[in-house]
Amino acid sequence: QVQLVESGGGVVQPGRSLRLSCAASGFTFISYPMHWVRQTPGRGLEWVALISYDGRNTYYADSVKGRFTISRDDSKSTLYLQMNSLRPEDTALYYCARGGSWFGEFHHWGQGILVTVSS
Amino acid sequence: QSVLTQSPSVSAAPGQKVTISCSGSSSNIGKNYVSWYQQLPGTAPKFLIYEDKKRPSGIPDRFSGSRSGTSATLDITGLQTGDEAHYYCGVWDSSLNVVVFGGGTKLTVL
Repeated sequence: QVQLVESGGGVVQPGRSLRLSCAASGFTFISYPMHWVRQTPGRGLEWVALISYDGRNTYYADSVKGRFTISRDDSKSTLYLQMNSLRPEDTALYYCARGGSWFGEFHHWGQGILVTVSS
Repeated sequence: QSVLTQSPSVSAAPGQKVTISCSGSSSNIGKNYVSWYQQLPGTAPKFLIYEDKKRPSGIPDRFSGSRSGTSATLDITGLQTGDEAHYYCGVWDSSLNVVVFGGGTKLTVL
């Protein structure tokens, strides 16, 4: 079965960096686009970034553009999110999600990893 | 402020039907397929509906979706207490080149 396991979260000071990882299994990783989505406790879902199945195209929410970078290592079936210049408003539960035929689909979700930006 | 508009909450009795709406614009719902997600308390979202009305395997036919113009709806029939959750719509916005979500609708089964 499809499994997505996030790691790399934690507490970080404003302005610092953090890299999230998402280990994927149970499907052919290279065939699917992948996303990061975040959720502030008690709030709704906010899409963060998308990388195409071949890694050639990436898209970002305006709130993270220029600070976050999504990437993938197909040899390791792993998705990454490099987060730089972190702000308190980046505090959230970050989900890795597997995409589908269309960019707006999220077929499978990880359990989420908490990132807290605080001094 | 979400790009897609959903009612914050809806409620109905067990066995009844409820409709959750999602309103957008010509650049998102008016142009692209809508998907829906169910988020039970304390869990990750679950894929519920894709391409407006298709159900992934394992999703009961009590859940159905539709899209018309710049709006989409999720219908849930035969409500069960286990359906109590937040429901989110999502779609690609072709003008912004981003995925947009609705703010979510909290379903209470009375």
